[in-house]
Amino acid sequence: QSALTQPRSVSGSPGQSVTISCTGTSSNVGVYNYVSWYQQHPGKTPKLIIYDVTKRPSGVPDRFSGSKSGNTASLTISGLQAEDEADYYCCSYAGTYTHWLFGGGTKLTVL
Amino acid sequence: QITLKESGPTLVKPTQTLTLTCTFSGFSLTTDTMGVAWIRQPPGKALEWLALIYSTDGERYNPSLKTRLTISKDTSKNQVVLTMTTMDPVDTATYYCAHHVQFSNWFDPWGQGTLVTVSS
Repeated sequence: QSALTQPRSVSGSPGQSVTISCTGTSSNVGVYNYVSWYQQHPGKTPKLIIYDVTKRPSGVPDRFSGSKSGNTASLTISGLQAEDEADYYCCSYAGTYTHWLFGGGTKLTVL
Repeated sequence: QITLKESGPTLVKPTQTLTLTCTFSGFSLTTDTMGVAWIRQPPGKALEWLALIYSTDGERYNPSLKTRLTISKDTSKNQVVLTMTTMDPVDTATYYCAHHVQFSNWFDPWGQGTLVTVSS
């Protein structure tokens, strides 16, 4: 299966909100509420910021939120801060054959 | 606190077999539902899930790489080993291991990663 589809890049000014989409199919995002999101700063390790579509791990600011509609999951970052500039990857469970799929990644630029 | 660290060669030749080791602490693969996954990232490219091993429920593999991958565990050393056969320059990537809990669907935390270059 192909990777999940994300926009290559998004941008926003400090204080604004941005939304990153993650489009899959009815075999993964559409059928399972098992989408997670990872933040990766340049040269750093990916960090879990959202799991099970909407849940935030302890320590992740509530500026980060997740949602899903049909085959598309979304990550919204509100009150953008300079330190939010990073790459963001979605991941979805895709069943007992494919297991897990990642998105192609989105580069967030804070203007 | 859970930590993981990858180790292995930084350079392999085409057609060779890659062996990577993930050494972890803060959990045990003798405990039910614990797991360790391998995920890779070619330079400047996206993440790709490779394989996962559970404490008591076997292994899972990316179907597109299944014939080349073997994941195993050494519970006495708190280590998970990934072997990938027939390496090719397209396999050049940073290889990460990550903690996983069975019946969850996320990976957290991740190791620092190890860059493997495939070149003659």
